[in-house]
Amino acid sequence: KQEVTQIPAALSVPEGENLVLNCSFTDSAIYNLQWFRQDPGKGLTSLLLIQSSQREQTSGRLNASLDKSSGRSTLYIAASQPGDSATYLCAVSNTNAGKSTFGDGTTLTVKP
Amino acid sequence: SQTIHQWPATLVQPVGSPLSLECTVEGTSNPNLYWYRQAAGRGLQLLFYSVGIGQISSEVPQNLSASRPQDRQFILSSKKLLLSDSGFYLCAWSLRGEQFFGPGTRLTVL
Repeated sequence: KQEVTQIPAALSVPEGENLVLNCSFTDSAIYNLQWFRQDPGKGLTSLLLIQSSQREQTSGRLNASLDKSSGRSTLYIAASQPGDSATYLCAVSNTNAGKSTFGDGTTLTVKP
Repeated sequence: SQTIHQWPATLVQPVGSPLSLECTVEGTSNPNLYWYRQAAGRGLQLLFYSVGIGQISSEVPQNLSASRPQDRQFILSSKKLLLSDSGFYLCAWSLRGEQFFGPGTRLTVL
């Protein structure tokens, strides 16, 4: 059974700092890994999708990496802004059916 | 472009009452559809998924059920709600393994 862990559970940084969020998974035979952002009381917004054959994906100030052999992914946020404050969730799929196992998320606070 | 709708946005129901949450997707055909529940401060737990009309798979035993009467409509139901059914319910669809989520329904059972 796939298990996904996100550390730390919460993170507070000053504006402008670069930061890294971590996601680890127990079963390395994944199909893809997806990073989401969730604002309080809202649904999830897809940030980046990494296929199992890829090592990283980039979108603007966000860069996600994947190391299947070690069961790890990182989400790098450059030059953080207060608007980046949200909970970031990592989801791992083991098949192309889209069923995912989610981590509990990292709640990020960026202070002005 | 694709859009996913959920309603109602919030719902307060007494214990023992029935439940019906609806999800519809626009702009795509024959999507895989999912119902997730999120407990406070936690990740998402997959409840049901569907690969086509009338095809429902349940991931966890519970007093909830799901139905897919039309290609782009997914319904979550209960005959009698429990206190433990309170939570944030999210509907999602997927394309080539990438998932997209609706705005969610906040359910409070009193």
